[in-house]
Amino acid sequence: SQQGEEDPQALSIQEGENATMNCSYKTSINNLQWYRQNSGRGLVHLILIRSNEREKHSGRLRVTLDTSKKSSSLLITASRAADTASYFCATEPLITGANSKLTFGKGITLSVRP
Amino acid sequence: NAGVTQTPKFQVLKTGQSMTLQCAQDMNHEYMSWYRQDPGMGLRLIHYSVGAGITDQGEVPNGYNVSRSTTEDFPLRLLSAAPSQTSVYFCASSYGGRVGGYTFGSGTRLTVV
Repeated sequence: SQQGEEDPQALSIQEGENATMNCSYKTSINNLQWYRQNSGRGLVHLILIRSNEREKHSGRLRVTLDTSKKSSSLLITASRAADTASYFCATEPLITGANSKLTFGKGITLSVRP
Repeated sequence: NAGVTQTPKFQVLKTGQSMTLQCAQDMNHEYMSWYRQDPGMGLRLIHYSVGAGITDQGEVPNGYNVSRSTTEDFPLRLLSAAPSQTSVYFCASSYGGRVGGYTFGSGTRLTVV
């Protein structure tokens, strides 16, 4: 079964607006990662946040992690048409010997209108 | 260019045929994984490896075999192809856990007829 669930499933915004995507997960984690996938391409790693971190920034990306609620959010500020893609959260479980089992959610489709 | 290389990019198989999807990385990553991506299902883990000689099953391992004889290569074998294995397959590699995320290949689009 899949660990992460993203919300919403689809998001459509105007260029320049901020996009917020949420991810919830079920079991304790070592870290949580966000990936982007452009249509017909492989996934690209965006950002990793460890279980002892609460917030992380990378360029226009801001990720938060609330381990008590088992949830994370990805904020893309000042969105661009080029941000149009599918976004996935993925978790590595906090189980000895299993920290290579990266498990993905079903993804969020983001459309940024020019 | 450094990265994860998957071959072939496209493949059509008949039911019952076998084949091997190739995956190679040149980043000296210890961790390698195979995923399949189906519409509305996200990515599901098939098999993974934490180093040469060590492999383990993921969420959907049935019908697939893997081996890891070198750090660089992690081939995925379909033993007897079935239409349910029609999917896009991605190979990924990583230094592991706390160090960073996974690097993905560009995928193999497999159709079983």
